[in-house]
Amino acid sequence: ETGVTQSPTHLIKTRGQQVTLRCSSQSGHNTVSWYQQALGQGPQFIFQYYREEENGRGNFPPRFSGLQFPNYSSELNVNALELDDSALYLCASSLGQAAEKLFFGSGTQLSVL
Amino acid sequence: GNSVTQMEGPVTLSEEAFLTINCTYTATGYPSLFWYVQYPGEGLQLLLKATKADDKGSNKGFEATYRKETTSFHLEKGSVQVSDSAVYFCALSVNTGFQKLVFGTGTRLLVSP
Repeated sequence: ETGVTQSPTHLIKTRGQQVTLRCSSQSGHNTVSWYQQALGQGPQFIFQYYREEENGRGNFPPRFSGLQFPNYSSELNVNALELDDSALYLCASSLGQAAEKLFFGSGTQLSVL
Repeated sequence: GNSVTQMEGPVTLSEEAFLTINCTYTATGYPSLFWYVQYPGEGLQLLLKATKADDKGSNKGFEATYRKETTSFHLEKGSVQVSDSAVYFCALSVNTGFQKLVFGTGTRLLVSP
């Protein structure tokens, strides 16, 4: 077990709604990254937060946004949900923004109907 | 751009068989290379990594060698166990000031007794 916890574990939403996913990073880690894993695919990088600032972003539209709090926990917000947003969302924490070892949570399975 | 290509699965083996999962990459710069494993219902776990050409990463009987000349990082294990059944992801990162992993699509390994 990595110490990275995500909530909720499963979520069902309808198209057009908004969703917030949460992540508690491993103790002492100041960097959080979010990945989207569609069924049968590898995870894709959404963005990374380091010390409460977004410092890297993948090829995702602005309706994907995030926050990192002073305790280094994080949220991923997705507005105007689309059917293709259905996926497993993984949070990973690390110590330092360029750290090579990431610790992943078990993910939140989002289904958009 | 940066990308990773893995052999398609599933790979089905009997216990104690030899395992090879092929992985090739395309990258600008000098990437670090990783193998992650995902057990059912869990997040990704780092299995091994290599940060420069000719490095060999190893862990739990698995090993992979960073081959710059063939842009490959094939995963091998001499004798698989039923407990090795999982999805294996090859990934790379290029230091851009933040940590972004680029994953392959994953290879499912099924080991039967």
